Amino acid sequence: EVVLTQSPAILSLSPGERATLSCRASQSIYIYLAWYQQKPGQAPRLLIFDASNRAHGIPARFSGSGSGTDFTLTISSLEPEDFAVYYCQQRADWPPLTFGGGTKVEMK
Amino acid sequence: QVQLQESGPGLLKPSETLSLTCTVSGGATTTHYWHWIRQPPGKTLEWLGYIFSNGSTTYNPSLTSRLTMSVDTTDNQFSLKLRSVTAADTAVYFCARSYYDRSGHPYDFDIWGQGTLVTVSS
Repeated sequence: EVVLTQSPAILSLSPGERATLSCRASQSIYIYLAWYQQKPGQAPRLLIFDASNRAHGIPARFSGSGSGTDFTLTISSLEPEDFAVYYCQQRADWPPLTFGGGTKVEMK
Repeated sequence: QVQLQESGPGLLKPSETLSLTCTVSGGATTTHYWHWIRQPPGKTLEWLGYIFSNGSTTYNPSLTSRLTMSVDTTDNQFSLKLRSVTAADTAVYFCARSYYDRSGHPYDFDIWGQGTLVTVSS
């Protein structure tokens, strides 16, 4: 099973700041990584697929990068609605499909 | 616009069977993979498995012995049964959709239901 480790667990930032979230895989997952955003009481929303492709309707301030075992989600300038929990998920080696533990982006 | 909606009992006793249904509106269940994913309170997401319209399934190996999924393409619904539940099965259960590639590998979850909380307690 591929284990995804996200860091940091909590990121305290202010609106307008840049957010950099990390996801590390226990083995190479090539580019088969997705990022999701989840707000309280809501389902996750797909942001990025295949490491660097924005999903439909996702603002350009969200970008993804990486390959192999190390991946990054960057939010170039935080908007108030971006404060949420972010999860990475791999589809390279399954079953099972697996998720990371999440990074909470909170307002400083 | 495709929408998913989970339904089923919200409270179960230990050893009972959890049964949930996901209704697909605005699209057909004859395409895509249809997944179940759960999230214990305050924790991360756990993928349970998926079903295709022909009834073929792939389950999380950690749950295979207790899990059954089914699909009803006529009613545009797919279902989950999890047997012998314990408190550890308490979670919000989501249904979700993914495409698949030519090799049958699932893509990412592009549409999700809102989720339904299932609590297991005596």
